Amino acid sequence: GENVEQHPSTLSVQEGDSAVIKCTYSDSASNYFPWYKQELGKRPQLIIDIRSNVGEKKDQRIAVTLNKTAKHFSLHITETQPEDSAVYFCAASIWANNLFFGTGTRLTVIP
Amino acid sequence: SQTIHQWPATLVQPVGSPLSLECTVEGTSNPNLYWYRQAAGRGLQLLFYSVGIGQISSEVPQNLSASRPQDRQFILSSKKLLLSDSGFYLCAWSGPLIGNQPQHFGDGTRLSIL
Repeated sequence: GENVEQHPSTLSVQEGDSAVIKCTYSDSASNYFPWYKQELGKRPQLIIDIRSNVGEKKDQRIAVTLNKTAKHFSLHITETQPEDSAVYFCAASIWANNLFFGTGTRLTVIP
Repeated sequence: SQTIHQWPATLVQPVGSPLSLECTVEGTSNPNLYWYRQAAGRGLQLLFYSVGIGQISSEVPQNLSASRPQDRQFILSSKKLLLSDSGFYLCAWSGPLIGNQPQHFGDGTRLSIL
């Protein structure tokens, strides 16, 4: 089955700086890559996703890049704000909507 | 718009007791439904998914089971809980089309086994 690895496990940045979280996947057939944000005790919420037919997608301060050859994808958050502090999960899917999640990155934005 | 409801929000159960967690979705037909477990400080582990009534696929062998008695209802059960069953259980839904449909999560049930 698919194996998704996520790094780093924790990340601290100063407010206004950028944050980058990286994930790798094992199955080259994966074609859908969502990112979820989970605040403490809350549900994971989809913040952005990318499909394998594009290499980059941007939504305001959030962007995701995908390198199919290297089988890795990254989340980029620019101009970080304290409310960006949360745990972020990447995931990969091979059709059938069965998501395989990374182990999460705890992002702390220091005011 | 679509909404997903999950209950109870928290549950404390003794070892060996049964379990029933319920999830319902509103505003969509024939959704794909999922049960995940999240251990403290860990990622999400897919337990079961369903593409239709009575159709259940299990991803991880364990003492849990799932059922889908109605189109928009998904139930997670156990006959005898183990200490290792503690965790945060999340139900999710996605559109009925095959492939690349975003999954949306419920608020979760925090289960503690004593």
